[in-house]
Amino acid sequence: ETGVTQTPRHLVMGMTNKKSLKCEQHLGHNAMYWYKQSAKKPLELMFVYNFKEQTENNSVPSRFSPECPNSSHLFLHLHTLQPEDSALYLCASSQDKGQPQHFGDGTRLSIL
Amino acid sequence: GENVEQHPSTLSVQEGDSAVIKCTYSDSASNYFPWYKQELGKRPQLIIDIRSNVGEKKDQRIAVTLNKTAKHFSLHITETQPEDSAVYFCAASNYGQNFVFGPGTRLSVLP
Repeated sequence: ETGVTQTPRHLVMGMTNKKSLKCEQHLGHNAMYWYKQSAKKPLELMFVYNFKEQTENNSVPSRFSPECPNSSHLFLHLHTLQPEDSALYLCASSQDKGQPQHFGDGTRLSIL
Repeated sequence: GENVEQHPSTLSVQEGDSAVIKCTYSDSASNYFPWYKQELGKRPQLIIDIRSNVGEKKDQRIAVTLNKTAKHFSLHITETQPEDSAVYFCAASNYGQNFVFGPGTRLSVLP
């Protein structure tokens, strides 16, 4: 049981495809995050939204485009990805920045 | 900015033994230190946390200690069990700031 839901759980796409990852939280949190987790690497923070406003973009390539239409939903739009983008993409939320983060189950992305 | 180091990167212990994972941080303003456990194929889950006004916190078989002067904190697991096998991440933050995670420790509990 989790308050943060991510869809899809698995995604295989070609380098020329366009797809979107979705994250939804029912915890009433104000901050939402996208992380990338590659094998044998630490969690890499990609984007942070606080009260629907993007507060951080950690030098993420423009082929990743986040969208936060409201405080409960967060999307990651994918376009023209590279094989090295294959990873587990985790969404998290917290009451505010610096507060305990709750993670979703992630989307396992494979780029062919 | 904050930098968090974590050691060891891998740790194997016999079932029933204790395991200790250590983290250091660089920003003296950090005041919140959570620990996450990530089992294979699952999401990271918060298992214990500590704030800077406390030196130690315990929850059953797990405990965390904090030394603010030295800027390091540690996770202690006693009487380890096979289900403790996972990757453990430490993190440091300040209110209003993002978490900075350590690189993780892969713990294997051998039967």
